[in-house]
Amino acid sequence: GAVVSQHPSRVICKSGTSVKIECRSLDFQATTMFWYRQFPKQSLMLMATSNEGSKATYEQGVEKDKFLINHASLTLSTLTVTSAHPEDSSFYICSAQAHRTGNTIYFGEGSWLTVV
Amino acid sequence: SQQGEEDPQALSIQEGENATMNCSYKTSINNLQWYRQNSGRGLVHLILIRSNEREKHSGRLRVTLDTSKKSSSLLITASRAADTASYFCATEQGGSEKLVFGKGTKLTVNP
Repeated sequence: GAVVSQHPSRVICKSGTSVKIECRSLDFQATTMFWYRQFPKQSLMLMATSNEGSKATYEQGVEKDKFLINHASLTLSTLTVTSAHPEDSSFYICSAQAHRTGNTIYFGEGSWLTVV
Repeated sequence: SQQGEEDPQALSIQEGENATMNCSYKTSINNLQWYRQNSGRGLVHLILIRSNEREKHSGRLRVTLDTSKKSSSLLITASRAADTASYFCATEQGGSEKLVFGKGTKLTVNP
């Protein structure tokens, strides 16, 4: 079946630095990927929709200059958290839609970001 | 924005019992999906029900959809300890492929 891989699964960074999270679709092409963040014991909040070859569409309240999204190929989208602060610590999850299997959306395993 | 509301927020049952979780939403939808999430992990897609469907089964899972009440239910029959997880409903709305997630139900199945 379709698999979406996220890397790294856990990352600790210092305040003020930037960290990049990768989301790859391993056996299908994904023209659209989605990035979510999830605080402990809460639901998933959509941050942005990542479209291959074009700019990402950000949800209201999400700072596009802080959360940089690049969808350079049909199998890779990256989320860069710039100038990270402790309040950016969260669980970040990506998903990708495999059009060949209809509307099924596959999620990555998520990435835990801790900013110290 | 989050629009789905699941209830209960937490559910604790014994192995072998059935677990029912409900989800309500506010706008018209293309489909409604249920996902499972183990603690600290990614989401696993369980089942999708389209807006013109009323009931769907998959193994021990039964999902209903009532578009007039804008609600859905997920029934897990003969629960197992391994079913312990959080369960989320998510709706796909209008012409968008975005999923809007509910707040989730944390299910604990005690052995």
